[in-house]
Amino acid sequence: KNQVEQSPQSLIILEGKNCTLQCNYTVSPFSNLRWYKQDTGRGPVSLTIMTFSENTKSNGRYTATLDADTKQSSLHITASQLSDSASYICVVRDGGYNKLIFGAGTRLAVHP
Amino acid sequence: SAVISQKPSRDICQRGTSLTIQCQVDSQVTMMFWYRQQPGQSLTLIATANQGSEATYESGFVIDKFPISRPNLTFSTLTVSNMSPEDSSIYLCSVVKSSGLVTDTQYFGPGTRLTVL
Repeated sequence: KNQVEQSPQSLIILEGKNCTLQCNYTVSPFSNLRWYKQDTGRGPVSLTIMTFSENTKSNGRYTATLDADTKQSSLHITASQLSDSASYICVVRDGGYNKLIFGAGTRLAVHP
Repeated sequence: SAVISQKPSRDICQRGTSLTIQCQVDSQVTMMFWYRQQPGQSLTLIATANQGSEATYESGFVIDKFPISRPNLTFSTLTVSNMSPEDSSIYLCSVVKSSGLVTDTQYFGPGTRLTVL
């Protein structure tokens, strides 16, 4: 069964600290992996999109990694800001049915 | 990019009634989708809205319950019919301005928060 699992479920960090969010998937065949940021009461916004040949992709203070062999991805946030408080959703595109499969998200809270 | 607006942004409805949610995009898009996001859960695809023809529904979703229209390349509606408290959720419109690549960005609207009493 195609699944995307994220950990931790929630995380609290202090402003200025770094953090790493994890994503494991069992989607096959794999097409690409996306990270989205969803602020409370808003729709998800795309941060990165990576194909199987890409190991790392950055978007400002956000850096995503992908290991297609172990089917794992991570999202690293550097020097966190209060505005980083949001849910971060890992999404994998199924290369067979061409559908997006969503993880449940990691809820990040950045405290001053 | 694509700017998506949804109306209403939220509503509280009585069971047994129906609500129509509108999705307007600021530019023509190839694909439009409707998702549901229940509290604390991931997004679930309801259907793909097809211009000028019937929507394509995912397993577990039917046209009688979630009729969808897409009259043109920038607008779609989703109706939640004969509502029950289990329909309380956030409903999101999503679009792709396809260039034919599987890495095309998928954009999401702000969502409509529905509460059914």
